[in-house]
Amino acid sequence: EAGVAQSPRYKIIEKRQSVAFWCNPISGHATLYWYQQILGQGPKLLIQFQNNGVVDDSQLPKDRFSAERLKGVDSTLKIQPAKLEDSAVYLCASSPGTSGRAWYEQYFGPGTRLTVT
Amino acid sequence: DQQVKQNSPSLSVQEGRISILNCDYTNSMFDYFLWYKKYPAEGPTFLISISSIKDKNEDGRFTVFLNKSAKHLSLHIVPSQPGDSAVYFCAATLYTGTASKLTFGTGTRLQVTL
Repeated sequence: EAGVAQSPRYKIIEKRQSVAFWCNPISGHATLYWYQQILGQGPKLLIQFQNNGVVDDSQLPKDRFSAERLKGVDSTLKIQPAKLEDSAVYLCASSPGTSGRAWYEQYFGPGTRLTVT
Repeated sequence: DQQVKQNSPSLSVQEGRISILNCDYTNSMFDYFLWYKKYPAEGPTFLISISSIKDKNEDGRFTVFLNKSAKHLSLHIVPSQPGDSAVYFCAATLYTGTASKLTFGTGTRLQVTL
């Protein structure tokens, strides 16, 4: 079974530029998550999708971050414009369902390391 | 507000000995607690979990203990192996009414030495 795919793996941009990350979850997984992991901290949930609908985006800085999950499969996360404090690893995860072990057993991709200079 | 805390940023253990990783939390409404393991340049992988109504869960060399009165959980690895060297994240879930939300600790880097 193929895992969660993310691209690019690394990205360096200047502040005020825009950037987009792509995620392809495990086939058949209904729930998709984007996390931000700043160096020395644990992953922090940015947004959660159930199929192609948003379930939780309470911690997404909506003035500069946006995300979509078209057709309930792939997802993109965009930052526009980027700030220095956005430097982090952006992790995508997916899970089969929303209840019991199927929910909390999330499968993570390798992440995209973003450096904003 | 750090609701899940791992106060030890690193731990070094000899191969074959027991590794004990600790985690404290503040929110008594958390319903599941999980441990994830992360190797460099990879995403976290699920290791083991425990329901808030249990006090112990065991899976091979890994055992998680939960002390609800102390709001404390620990992960025991026996015996420790060099391949266990990684960053371990404690996490907890909270059902918000519309979704369940996972909150991570800051991680503990475990090094298993020969």
